[in-house]
Amino acid sequence: ILNVEQSPQSLHVQEGDSTNFTCSFPSSNFYALHWYRWETAKSPEALFVMTLNGDEKKKGRISATLNTKEGYSYLYIKGSQPEDSATYLCAFKVQKLTFGTGTRLTIIP
Amino acid sequence: DSGVTQTPKHLITATGQRVTLRCSPRSGDLSVYWYQQSLDQGLQFLIQYYNGEERAKGNILERFSAQQFPDLHSELNLSSLELGDSALYFCASSVEDFLGGNTIYFGEGSWLTVV
Repeated sequence: ILNVEQSPQSLHVQEGDSTNFTCSFPSSNFYALHWYRWETAKSPEALFVMTLNGDEKKKGRISATLNTKEGYSYLYIKGSQPEDSATYLCAFKVQKLTFGTGTRLTIIP
Repeated sequence: DSGVTQTPKHLITATGQRVTLRCSPRSGDLSVYWYQQSLDQGLQFLIQYYNGEERAKGNILERFSAQQFPDLHSELNLSSLELGDSALYFCASSVEDFLGGNTIYFGEGSWLTVV
């Protein structure tokens, strides 16, 4: 059974603080790991696609790292802003792209 | 705007009925994916097509079927609808998906309510 697990399930962070959350996936047969940002009433928006062990990607204040040998990826948000409030999904690719249930992030002004 | 177009945006129908959800992928994308988002679950993969051929199958019920046409648009057919089929159905597309290294773009979804 293929499981993608995300933690924590939800998170409240004070505006201006930095935060991070985790995506865990099976470490065998790795192809790719995707991160998405999903705002309420909108469609999931791709943040990063990571394919190599040790990959680090950055987009503005958001960055991600990948460890395929131990099966985890971290997403970091630096200096959280209210517009960062969203659900952050990771997805693991083997034969199909399997999504975790997400980390729901709420930024408190 | 991701470039993936889904219709209809909202649909209310009765149990036992059949509906068709339509998806137009981004220009140039050959892969189309269908996902179901129910209230208490994450995005559940249903099925993927690549250039008209079924490529991967997930937890798609036998009452559901899909196809991708020569112009690359796709349709998801849901029949003998039950209350539990009420969900947000997403279509997504990518250039290709052999190794998963390409970004997948999501449409805005079709909200299906079965009453």
